[in-house]
Amino acid sequence: NAGVTQTPKFQVLKTGQSMTLQCAQDMNHEYMSWYRQDPGMGLRLIHYSVGAGITDQGEVPNGYNVSRSTTEDFPLRLLSAAPSQTSVYFCASSSRETQYFGPGTRLLVL
Amino acid sequence: GESVGLHLPTLSVQEGDNSIINCAYSNSASDYFIWYKQESGKGPQFIIDIRSNMDKRQGQRVTVLLNKTVKHLSLQIAATQPGDSAVYFCAEKVEGYSTLTFGKGTMLLVSP
Repeated sequence: NAGVTQTPKFQVLKTGQSMTLQCAQDMNHEYMSWYRQDPGMGLRLIHYSVGAGITDQGEVPNGYNVSRSTTEDFPLRLLSAAPSQTSVYFCASSSRETQYFGPGTRLLVL
Repeated sequence: GESVGLHLPTLSVQEGDNSIINCAYSNSASDYFIWYKQESGKGPQFIIDIRSNMDKRQGQRVTVLLNKTVKHLSLQIAATQPGDSAVYFCAEKVEGYSTLTFGKGTMLLVSP
């Protein structure tokens, strides 16, 4: 049982490049979410999903897309990276209550 | 003592002391609360939770207190150890499938 896994651990992008942050969980959780964490701030919700085929926007969705084709996977896509998207990204999953977090992806956009 | 740093409030304690980390939550409809611990370079780790029908819950060396009247949550850590040094976040939600709202966090520094 690996819990929540994220890849890559670290990524450097140039402005305008695209990439996908991967997230997978093996706990059969319905609820998954993506957060970003910036210095001195708490976690801010980007997008979330309550089950396969269902996604919704969080607090800071602009510049990010998500899809949920399976229960296990919830990728986050940056279509055209901007320096403002430099951050640490965390994926989380939960059954109904407690959310469990992955180790994070550090993204630097130059 | 407790101080407001450039980014995060910081609580500095000596090893063996008891620590109290406070959190004011925002939504009076929230009925489920969680404390997370985040060590440097890692994701948040679940510590303890409490539902709104309780005002106190104890775990191993940790106790969470909930005061719904003033929308206040606290985390008490007994016999604080250097390994407890981390950033601590409180989070609130309405029970069931809904989003968590996180506080900005408090950094706990434990010196030997």
